[in-house]
Amino acid sequence: AQSVTQLGSHVSVSEGALVLLRCNYSSSVPPYLFWYVQYPNQGLQLLLKYTTGATLVKGINGFEAEFKKSETSFHLTKPSAHMSDAAEYFCAVSASRSASKIIFGSGTRLSIRP
Amino acid sequence: DAGVTQSPTHLIKTRGQHVTLRCSPISGHKSVSWYQQVLGQGPQFIFQYYEKEERGRGNFPDRFSARQFPNYSSELNVNALLLGDSALYLCASSLELGYTFGSGTRLTVV
Repeated sequence: AQSVTQLGSHVSVSEGALVLLRCNYSSSVPPYLFWYVQYPNQGLQLLLKYTTGATLVKGINGFEAEFKKSETSFHLTKPSAHMSDAAEYFCAVSASRSASKIIFGSGTRLSIRP
Repeated sequence: DAGVTQSPTHLIKTRGQHVTLRCSPISGHKSVSWYQQVLGQGPQFIFQYYEKEERGRGNFPDRFSARQFPNYSSELNVNALLLGDSALYLCASSLELGYTFGSGTRLTVV
């Protein structure tokens, strides 16, 4: 079975500061991992995904995440926050390429202070 | 190319009624999944269909059903609506791993 824990339901950073959103996963098989972003009243947009290979994954809008198997983590980072980054972020896990479902975390709301 | 389109965008129903939500996947995508997102929570998996066959079902009651048509579009049906069914219903399509989501249908049950 798979599960995702996002540490911190709300994170607030200053514009230009480092963004760090934490995600830990549990999976009985090698996981496929995702980060999605959701802006108010919109659907989910894929930021990045880890399947196999390189453990540092680069996504859109300057975000990246590192898969650390020993720590069962997949934290999302961005070196310099922008006001437009304010949104809800979801970490998610899937058991395999053919798995029928993605398991989402409960989300982290990112606020940016001017 | 159009993304995943869902209709309607919003609707209000009364307890006990039935509702049908519709989804058109990205052209060429044969897999469609449905998720329920209650306010303040992450999306919860309801169904996945691939080539018109059900490939997976989440922990939802039998009041929830779905189907996929030959053109790969899909419908989600919910019978005997409860107040707790109020949520954003998201449809996603995929060609390979990594779903593309629509903007959702906001269902309010009163």
